[in-house]
Amino acid sequence: QVQLQESGPGLVKPSETLSLTCAVSGYSISSGYYWGWIRQPPGKGLEWIGSIYHSGSTYYNPSLKSRVTISVDTSKNQFSLKLSSVTAADTAVYYCARGGYSYGLPYDYWGQGTLVTVSS
Amino acid sequence: QSALTQPASVSGSPGQSITISCTGTSSDVGSYNLVSWYQQHPGKAPKLMIYEVSKRPSGVSNRFSGSKSGNTASLTISGLQAEDEADYYCCSYAGSSTPVVFGGGTKLTVL
Repeated sequence: QVQLQESGPGLVKPSETLSLTCAVSGYSISSGYYWGWIRQPPGKGLEWIGSIYHSGSTYYNPSLKSRVTISVDTSKNQFSLKLSSVTAADTAVYYCARGGYSYGLPYDYWGQGTLVTVSS
Repeated sequence: QSALTQPASVSGSPGQSITISCTGTSSDVGSYNLVSWYQQHPGKAPKLMIYEVSKRPSGVSNRFSGSKSGNTASLTISGLQAEDEADYYCCSYAGSSTPVVFGGGTKLTVL
């Protein structure tokens, strides 16, 4: 059974960099699939942040592209998200998920999500 | 503003059928059979219910079905049950510039 678990600070100061890691178990990232990040501001809908193919190719939401970096560490079987210059608008529950081979869709396995609050 | 348009809410009584629409454009829903639907209960992660317009993952009830016509995709839930009350999100591939777009979500209330 594939499982994903997000981890990282729950509180980030404005203008700093948000860093999250998604640990994957039950499947080797290096074997395939896309690995993505999706966020959900409190009380709002889902927003796609970006994804990384197991080979390292990355794809980002144009609205966030200048601030986002997604990377993969196959030795630890995990992938990471960095979002720079955060503001209160970046406060959200952040989910990691496994994406299928059709351009990264669909997302079939999801982490439980982690709330990140941007506040001084 | 979300890239895909969904009704904010729909409702139905137990046993009835409901349909949730997801309207995009010829650049996303209309061009690719890569629409997926996700169910999200409060405080939980989304769950994949339909992929590639009309395919059901293993373990998802056959009461859930999907379809597409032109730029609009639809999710139909038949034989509504109390446990179906949740938020539903559509998602589509939208080309190389913005690969993935979500709808704004629809809150389903089972009366």
